[in-house]
Amino acid sequence: TQLLEQSPQFLSIQEGENLTVYCNSSSVFSSLQWYRQEPGEGPVLLVTVVTGGEVKKLKRLTFQFGDARKDSSLHITAAQPGDTGLYLCAGGTGGGNKLTFGTGTQLKVEL
Amino acid sequence: SAVISQKPSRDICQRGTSLTIQCQVDSQVTMMFWYRQQPGQSLTLIATANQGSEATYESGFVIDKFPISRPNLTFSTLTVSNMSPEDSSIYLCSVGQGSEPQHFGDGTRLSIL
Repeated sequence: TQLLEQSPQFLSIQEGENLTVYCNSSSVFSSLQWYRQEPGEGPVLLVTVVTGGEVKKLKRLTFQFGDARKDSSLHITAAQPGDTGLYLCAGGTGGGNKLTFGTGTQLKVEL
Repeated sequence: SAVISQKPSRDICQRGTSLTIQCQVDSQVTMMFWYRQQPGQSLTLIATANQGSEATYESGFVIDKFPISRPNLTFSTLTVSNMSPEDSSIYLCSVGQGSEPQHFGDGTRLSIL
């Protein structure tokens, strides 16, 4: 069974701080997606990474896929209250588009 | 990306009853997925629904409890049968096409009394 462990599970920070969320597994994935989910809504795709060592930036968010394609990180610079939400990583194994979701990180950014 | 609509958005049901959740997509998609999520927690895949074939269920989920229909490439339903309070959860559908990442509907929030 493939497992994706995220850390930390909960994070409460002040506006302007930086943070990193980690997504780790013992399994290799062909792709890794990051989603953000707000209350009352479904998860919204932020990014997909597919190459070991790949780094993608989305404004203040930086995503990295580990060299061995077993882990990933999400770094947020100068967090804002609008970044508040549940962050989920999800690993794909190529065939059939099936995803394994991480355990989730609940982020709260306060003024 | 595809626009996905789920109905109902929320419901409160009596134990022992069944509820059918609908998922409508604005474009034809090969694969549709049904997930369950406890508030604030991660997603657990219930089953994968491909048009023209039986749904494929994950370990711990069975067709008698969660029958799924996929009559065409834009629509699917998930029924939660003989509900108990343990079935209270958020049910989400998502769609995938080829190597494209999955996109989600806003979910159905279900409470069983």
